[in-house]
Amino acid sequence: ETGVTQTPRHLVMGMTNKKSLKCEQHLGHNAMYWYKQSAKKPLELMFVYSLEERVENNSVPSRFSPECPNSSHLFLHLHTLQPEDSALYLCASSQEGDRVGGNTIYFGEGSWLTVV
Amino acid sequence: AQKVTQAQTEISVVEKEDVTLDCVYETRDTTYYLFWYKQPPSGELVFLIRRNSFDEQNEISGRYSWNFQKSTSSFNFTITASQVVDSAVYFCALSEVSGGGADGLTFGKGTHLIIQP
Repeated sequence: ETGVTQTPRHLVMGMTNKKSLKCEQHLGHNAMYWYKQSAKKPLELMFVYSLEERVENNSVPSRFSPECPNSSHLFLHLHTLQPEDSALYLCASSQEGDRVGGNTIYFGEGSWLTVV
Repeated sequence: AQKVTQAQTEISVVEKEDVTLDCVYETRDTTYYLFWYKQPPSGELVFLIRRNSFDEQNEISGRYSWNFQKSTSSFNFTITASQVVDSAVYFCALSEVSGGGADGLTFGKGTHLIIQP
């Protein structure tokens, strides 16, 4: 059983829809991340939350809105997406300040998003 | 700026052959971590190994081994006696420590490894 679970695993949505991706980590970590993986592109870091506060937003369009209600849960709210936003969205977590673990990041299985 | 280069886009070998995946990195930090992840078709990124910049000892775990050389900024990954189940995309990644943690990882573009039966 993975320590980071994501739902839904697959999502098809229209450009006018509003949907959300959910992530839950069971590892007791204090940092969570959203990454985007498009075909033939490197993994892109979208958002970082540390101790439930957003610490990084890599110029992500406002149609992507993250929410971190507590250290175990992370959401990505999706609104009026474009077809080019179709990708695999990966959630991850780590223990910030872990000198032994070196802030190793553990990933979920991802949510495959298709925008039509 | 940090950068990770995996020059091999795709490698195809026959089962039981040894295969090496190359990774070259760039960083201005003296303290950093290097990682390898495996991504099977299901999508999940599976953590394989982490090395810190002060530990250049090579590591072996079963059929997997890693060769870290700071002099050439490389962190190569070798699979010995490859198996069909090793087929996946493998990513090398870098994390700089000076950022204070929770900075995420910089990934290479990945190497698609195909093991043919």
